Amino acid sequence: TQLLEQSPQFLSIQEGENLTVYCNSSSVFSSLQWYRQEPGEGPVLLVTVVTGGEVKKLKRLTFQFGDARKDSSLHITAAQPGDTGLYLCAVPSSGSARQLTFGSGTQLTVLP
Amino acid sequence: DAGVIQSPRHEVTEMGQEVTLRCKPISGHNSLFWYRQTMMRGLELLIYFNNNVPIDDSGMPEDRFSAKMPNASFSTLKIQPSEPRDSAVYFCASTRGRPGLKHYEQYFGPGTRLTVT
Repeated sequence: TQLLEQSPQFLSIQEGENLTVYCNSSSVFSSLQWYRQEPGEGPVLLVTVVTGGEVKKLKRLTFQFGDARKDSSLHITAAQPGDTGLYLCAVPSSGSARQLTFGSGTQLTVLP
Repeated sequence: DAGVIQSPRHEVTEMGQEVTLRCKPISGHNSLFWYRQTMMRGLELLIYFNNNVPIDDSGMPEDRFSAKMPNASFSTLKIQPSEPRDSAVYFCASTRGRPGLKHYEQYFGPGTRLTVT
C-alpha cells in the first residue's frame, strides 16, 4: 500500500480547461509539498503547505491542504501546454524531515 | 548559481558491466539523496547522506548497489554487476539542513538515464 495515493494517474485535457488532481493518505502529516517534473528534468518544488485547511495560490495553480492534514489538492485554472508534466506530492518521512516520500504522481498533458 | 550536476546524462551498458553515476550537490547543501524513477515504481529513495555520512540506505535494492560521498561536493552511485532491471532514471538531490527547520526543499539534478541491455 502506497503511503500517498495520487489521482488520477493520467490526465489529458485541452488548453483552457480547468482540472484538479489529488493526493490522499490515511496518515497525518506536518507538511506536504507539490513538485512538478518536466520531461527530461528533475522535479522542481512548487509549494509547501503546512497548516490544515491552508490554501496557497501560484498564478493559475491553487493548492489546498486538507483540514485534517491527510490530503491535498492542486487545481489548475485555464490550463496551458506549459503546464504539461508529472505532478508529484511529497511528505516528510517519519525518521527525518529532510527525507521525503513521494506519491506516484499525476501525468498531465495539456493539448494546444 | 549552478544547480545539482549529474553525469553522465545517458548511459547504455551491457548486463554484467559496472556502472558509476556521479553527482555534485549545490554548494553549501549538507544532505544528499539518490533516487531511482521508473514507470512501475515511481520515484524511490535509494540512499540519503547527511554531512557525507550515509543515514538511511534501506532503499538500496541489493548488494550490487553501493554509494559513497567522499566529500561535501561529490557522490557516486555504483552498480556492479548491472542487470536489465536496473534500467531507470537515477536522480541526485540535495538540500541544506538547519536545526529546527520543519520542512525542506529538495533540489534535483537532471538525472541519468541508464539502459542496461
